[in-house]
Amino acid sequence: SAVISQKPSRDICQRGTSLTIQCQVDSQVTMMFWYRQQPGQSLTLIATANQGSEATYESGFVIDKFPISRPNLTFSTLTVSNMSPEDSSIYLCSVQGAANEKLFFGSGTQLSVL
Amino acid sequence: DAKTTQPTSMDCAEGRAANLPCNHSTISGNEYVYWYRQIHSQGPQYIIHGLKNNETNEMASLIITEDRKSSTLILPHATLRDTAVYYCIVANSGYALNFGKGTSLLVTP
Repeated sequence: SAVISQKPSRDICQRGTSLTIQCQVDSQVTMMFWYRQQPGQSLTLIATANQGSEATYESGFVIDKFPISRPNLTFSTLTVSNMSPEDSSIYLCSVQGAANEKLFFGSGTQLSVL
Repeated sequence: DAKTTQPTSMDCAEGRAANLPCNHSTISGNEYVYWYRQIHSQGPQYIIHGLKNNETNEMASLIITEDRKSSTLILPHATLRDTAVYYCIVANSGYALNFGKGTSLLVTP
């Protein structure tokens, strides 16, 4: 199984600032995903982080707001830019090692924007 | 991805079997049925998945109907630590999972 380290685990940020969330995996993985979970809601897929190319974003999410990097097969970052209180959520990194393999999730980053 | 329908909430007495249903009538032939759960303030945890056949592991059993339009997750002896939101998801392998609202399971003493 993959072990995922996500940092920071929580943060409180001011409106208008940006926060970069890191996701480190203990093994090389093919697929990495970023999810958002708003208070009391289910998980929503933000984007697929592609190694060596631009991320693929889901409807309603754009690169300017959520830039993603994936420099190698074990690491990815998600930046929440120009934050507003509506961005207060849990952000989760997820990985899949190989086709037909289950997804593993990090413990998430609890973000509060004041 | 096919959509799923799950009850909003369920209760189960500790020590009894918890049977969580899921309807996925529009599932396509190459889509798997995945079950995850999320305990409060934690990331989702994988439970089990299957394509056509029933599956069993150390956590649970998955029963998929012959027409694959519905399935049931069975926790054979529920404990208080099984209180969580349980998500039934149908998806192709190798793709991201789209989570619905899930079933909030409360295991009571």
